[in-house]
Formats: sequence, structure tokens, C-alpha cells
Amino acid sequence: NAGVTQTPKFQVLKTGQSMTLQCAQDMNHEYMSWYRQDPGMGLRLIHYSVGAGITDQGEVPNGYNVSRSTTEDFPLRLLSAAPSQTSVYFCASRPGTSGSGEQFFGPGTRLTVL
Amino acid sequence: GQQVMQIPQYQHVQEGEDFTTYCNSSTTLSNIQWYKQRPGGHPVFLIQLVKSGEVKKQKRLTFQFGEAKKNSSLHITATQTTDVGTYFCARGGGKLIFGQGTELSVKP
Repeated sequence: NAGVTQTPKFQVLKTGQSMTLQCAQDMNHEYMSWYRQDPGMGLRLIHYSVGAGITDQGEVPNGYNVSRSTTEDFPLRLLSAAPSQTSVYFCASRPGTSGSGEQFFGPGTRLTVL
Repeated sequence: GQQVMQIPQYQHVQEGEDFTTYCNSSTTLSNIQWYKQRPGGHPVFLIQLVKSGEVKKQKRLTFQFGEAKKNSSLHITATQTTDVGTYFCARGGGKLIFGQGTELSVKP
């Protein structure tokens, strides 16, 4: 199993550009989430999904869109990038109500918005 | 609201000293999870606590869940340089909400 994969690893955008961060998992997990990590702020939840076709907002959803058309994929779209969105983005997945509750994280995407 | 407050934000210790990080919530938690993130890495799951007053050990790490299920702690005995990183607690539920983390540095 590849686990949780994220692409790209690094990205530089100009203000106003749009892009999609890709996330995929091959563990058949129901739950998937996107977090951003900024120095001193911990991990803040952007959006999450409890299954295909179901998404909901987290703590900091503004400026981001998500969709979950399949169990495996959970892309994060930045509609119009702003410097405040410079951050490290982590995608994560977990089985749902069964199991230990362990959440598996991808390696992260480091995004810089100029 | 749904936040979990974690203290301290930073902790610097001499190798061999003990270390403790605390996680507090104003509301009752259904469960609490702990993660470790090495510098430059991604968070890795350590444990989940579910029961009131629960204590679990993993080698030199001891995890506690308060009787009221509003607080939790992670204690490391005799720290080693391999313990360096940031330790996060996270409140469970449909969405996992993380505390701000405690960054641990260990001086050899």
C-alpha cells in the first residue's frame, strides 16, 4: 500500500492564481481531511469528508473548495491564491468509526504564494 | 468552542530529563489522540484514549486521560535525542481538531 499520497511536494503560485492539491489513499478509508500547518498554529482543519459525496467545513475553510467523488481521492482547490495561504498542507485519512481511530497523514505540500 | 488548548508551546530539556505536555478542553471529549511530528515530517499517530481515567504506556511514554474527560497528558521519562519533535493532541469525533502542539528539543 502506498498509504496517503500528495502531489505536488512543492508549489509556488502568484497571487490570484488557482490550483488543485491532489490527495489519494489506497486504504479504502471513509474519512479524509485537509489541514494546513503554520508556525505556532498547529494543524488547522480546512475541510473534511466522511465518505464519497459528503464534505463539510473545518476550522478555516475560506478560500478553499473540496469534492469527494470517489473514496480514494480528495482534491483541495485554491480558487484565487493569496499570500495568507502560504503554508504546508497535509491530507489525512482514517477508517471511520471502526478501528483504533488512527489518522494517516500524507507527506505534505509546501505552498508559497507570492 | 471545539478547541483543545495545549501547553507548553515549547520545552527544552537536557537528555535524561523528563517531559510532560498537557491538553485541556472546556467540554467533555469523546476521545483524545496523540501524534508526534519529527522536524520536516508529517504527524504520526501515537495513541488514542477513550475511557475516563485511562492510562496507557508505550515504553518511556505514558498517556493519561482525565477522570472528567476534559484533559489529557503525555509524559516522557528520561528523554532521548530521538524524542525531538512536536507532540500534538487531537480531540476525536467526526473531525479531528488538533491542539497547537508542544515542540520538544533535547540537548545531548
